Amino acid sequence: DIQLTQSPSFLSASVGDRVTITCRASQGISSFLAWCQQKPGKAPKLLIYAASTLQSGVPSRFSGSGSGTEFTLTISSLQPEDFATYYCQQLNSYPLTFGGGTKVEIK
Amino acid sequence: EVQLVESGGGLVQPGGSLRLSCEASGFTFSDHFMDWVRQAPGKGLEWVGRIRNKVHSYSTEYAASVKGRFTISRDDSKNSLSLQMNSLKTDDTAVYYCGRGVAAAGTVWFEPWGQGTLVTVSS
Repeated sequence: DIQLTQSPSFLSASVGDRVTITCRASQGISSFLAWCQQKPGKAPKLLIYAASTLQSGVPSRFSGSGSGTEFTLTISSLQPEDFATYYCQQLNSYPLTFGGGTKVEIK
Repeated sequence: EVQLVESGGGLVQPGGSLRLSCEASGFTFSDHFMDWVRQAPGKGLEWVGRIRNKVHSYSTEYAASVKGRFTISRDDSKNSLSLQMNSLKTDDTAVYYCGRGVAAAGTVWFEPWGQGTLVTVSS
C-alpha cells in the first residue's frame, strides 16, 4: 500500500500568513494526488486534483505542486474560513489512501 | 445541484449487520464511479471501497480492512448506492461518506461527498 505522510500534523497561523503543507508518498504516484479540506462536522471538500489543478469554485489563494513522491499545498494568504483540516489523497493505485491530515488553527 | 444523501446509520452490536444507502441527485448517476470513505471519531479519512459504472461492469475494489465483510452495490434506475456491512467490529465505528467519482487527468477523483451517516458498533 502507498503511505502518505503529511507534515506538519498541526499548524498555528495568523490571518494573512502564507501556509505550506507537505505530503510525501512512499512510492511514486505521478500526479495522482488530491488535496481536500474538512471543517468540523462537515464532509471533506475537494480543493486540488492532479497535484496542481484547482477545483472549480476554489479560491485562487490555494495552489498545489509536485509530482512523484513530494507534493505541497500552499495557501498564499490565510483567510478566517481556511481554518480547517487538510488531507492529501493518492489515486494512483488501490487501495486509495489518505495522509494523516494537517490541522490549521488560528494563532 | 449535485447532492449525495447518506442514510441507514445507527447503533449495532459487534457481529451484526447494517446497510447504508446514498441517494444521488443533480447528475447522471449511472455515468459515475462511486466510493465510500469513512472517518472514525477524531481520526482521519479511510477509503472503504469503490464501484465502477456499467461500462466497467460494475466492478468493485475494497480496502483490506473491509474486504469479505462489506459489499458495495448500486441501482442506477434509482440513483442509489449501497454499502452492506456484515460481521461488524468496534473498529468499524465511523461516519461513512459516499463520494461521486469524477474522471479527469487520467484518473477518478471524489467530488462531492455526502454529509455522512454515523455507524456505531458497540455492545
